[in-house]
Amino acid sequence: GAVVSQHPSWVICKSGTSVKIECRSLDFQATTMFWYRQFPKQSLMLMATSNEGSKATYEQGVEKDKFLINHASLTLSTLTVTSAHPEDSSFYICSATRDRVNEQFFGPGTRLTVL
Amino acid sequence: GENVEQHPSTLSVQEGDSAVIKCTYSDSASNYFPWYKQELGKRPQLIIDIRSNVGEKKDQRIAVTLNKTAKHFSLHITETQPEDSAVYFCAINYGGSQGNLIFGKGTKLSVKP
Repeated sequence: GAVVSQHPSWVICKSGTSVKIECRSLDFQATTMFWYRQFPKQSLMLMATSNEGSKATYEQGVEKDKFLINHASLTLSTLTVTSAHPEDSSFYICSATRDRVNEQFFGPGTRLTVL
Repeated sequence: GENVEQHPSTLSVQEGDSAVIKCTYSDSASNYFPWYKQELGKRPQLIIDIRSNVGEKKDQRIAVTLNKTAKHFSLHITETQPEDSAVYFCAINYGGSQGNLIFGKGTKLSVKP
């Protein structure tokens, strides 16, 4: 149990376009979902925390208008990178937690390349 | 924000030797300390975790020790194997909150056959 999927696994887009990444909890209802960004050979940097039906909480330095997060249900959160630029190229990973459980269950990640 | 210091950043050991990675933190409210293993291009996988009411936890070749007074915890891998080669991240739940984690910078472990 506790499987998290992400789609797409990789995406290449042109500068100025928007890209949507989906994160789904497949066999449990996620009380909270998290979005991370990971640059090569670096750690996971938390971008935002989202709860179903409420606005996401963004970490300091993360532009909420640039990285739109929608948490429409207890099993789905989406991250939209708007007007993507080459510096947005990175590995984006989501994770989810279950009620009363500390452990975070990670998705497989999405590699975004902006040309 | 709260920091988690992780050392060393790289660690190379011979197969069969032990590996130890240490993390220190400053948030007294943290009460959950997981360790994740991440292979190249893959998702982080939880390998072991410990809560603040426990000083040590062991799972086969992997163990974690926690010194809450000194605010540090360590990952111990014994009898290392080449498949243990990966990047290992420690984390804490800052403020004692459920689920919210701050990660260390990671340790790249290389096990040489």
